[in-house]
Amino acid sequence: IAGITQAPTSQILAAGRRMTLRCTQDMRHNAMYWYRQDLGLGLRLIHYSNTAGTTGKGEVPDGYSVSRANTDDFPLTLASAVPSQTSVYFCASSRPGGTPFFGPGTRLTVL
Amino acid sequence: AQTVTQSQPEMSVQEAETVTLSCTYDTSESDYYLFWYKQPPSRQMILVIRQEAYKQQNATENRFSVNFQKAAKSFSLKISDSQLGDAAMYFCAYSGTYKYIFGTGTRLKVLA
Repeated sequence: IAGITQAPTSQILAAGRRMTLRCTQDMRHNAMYWYRQDLGLGLRLIHYSNTAGTTGKGEVPDGYSVSRANTDDFPLTLASAVPSQTSVYFCASSRPGGTPFFGPGTRLTVL
Repeated sequence: AQTVTQSQPEMSVQEAETVTLSCTYDTSESDYYLFWYKQPPSRQMILVIRQEAYKQQNATENRFSVNFQKAAKSFSLKISDSQLGDAAMYFCAYSGTYKYIFGTGTRLKVLA
């Protein structure tokens, strides 16, 4: 792994299904973030984690949950997907005060 | 709460010309960082330039430079000698304590 990876690249999901988006970084960054990108709205923070074992809510956390069991992984779970969660999801990581590095994104479509 | 505003949804520039993208922000913090990211059609978020708020000198990276006005809370990006490869979405971002806040983006079109 070099940098930050996300899986899957894209996914089509039926409404009501559970889905976990995966994010892994190998830069030993303390902080990790999940954003969603929607046309005209830019990137909005869903959840973040300052360090392993801690998480916090961002601007649009409803319908999403995260966990941070270790430094490298920061999965995002949609417990019961709804069409309004159709978006492109970006994971990012950084050192404190550092430059965020972004993953390649996951395009999620909820039908 | 911190906010970042990009008031230009779309801009156009002639190839080889100069263009300035605007960004304003609001914060009560005294120590923070500001960024410009480029997002080409590939979707990848690419860092263009970074500015530390405590530095008075404007950051520069080759053809990209910023005009950082701390008192006015303004952070504009100037692209000189625009190239076709500069066409992309550009996002302004603010970072205080851990959280990174993004603007809504400006789509830059480069005309040949």
